[in-house]
Amino acid sequence: SQQGEEDPQALSIQEGENATMNCSYKTSINNLQWYRQNSGRGLVHLILIRSNEREKHSGRLRVTLDTSKKSSSLLITASRAADTASYFCATDAWDNAGNMLTFGGGTRLMVKP
Amino acid sequence: NAGVMQNPRHLVRRRGQEARLRCSPMKGHSHVYWYRQLPEEGLKFMVYLQKENIIDESGMPKERFSAEFPKEGPSILRIQQVVRGDSAAYFCASSPPSLPPSSYEQYFGPGTRLTVT
Repeated sequence: SQQGEEDPQALSIQEGENATMNCSYKTSINNLQWYRQNSGRGLVHLILIRSNEREKHSGRLRVTLDTSKKSSSLLITASRAADTASYFCATDAWDNAGNMLTFGGGTRLMVKP
Repeated sequence: NAGVMQNPRHLVRRRGQEARLRCSPMKGHSHVYWYRQLPEEGLKFMVYLQKENIIDESGMPKERFSAEFPKEGPSILRIQQVVRGDSAAYFCASSPPSLPPSSYEQYFGPGTRLTVT
């Protein structure tokens, strides 16, 4: 089963606009990770935010984490056509034997030139 | 419809032994991806396979690691002569046979946790 729930499931915007994707989860976590996948390729790790962090930036990416609401958001600013891809969040939590990584269903982003 | 199955869920091997990790994709899926996750790190892509073909193995270590996805049966990730640094969680994901594969429909297995002692 997948703990993370991304919304929206699909998002279509114009180049230059900002894109915001949200992820909600259910259990306590160590960290939350965002990934990108271009069609037909493997996942690419974008950013990891730890449970004691609230915000993190990397280039045009901004990730926030609200552990009280068990939610995270990924903001892509000044989007480009090359940002077209699917974006997944994954929660990294401890179980009795160690880390457990659980993925959401993904948001499919289309950026129109 | 069962999801992506991985077994075993936990595998303990001594240094120098072989580890075999299995991934059964969802029914009707013919594309499989393998990833490795080291503790406290993100997933790293290893290999992408279609039935009987390796499409992209750019993330696979050059030695000791191999992967296959035969016409019948699960995909296998094989690690020979394991070392402590191989201890990690290994995830596979599958997607259906559309061209190009629809990333929106990628499904992940629960992972296999390999511990090398």
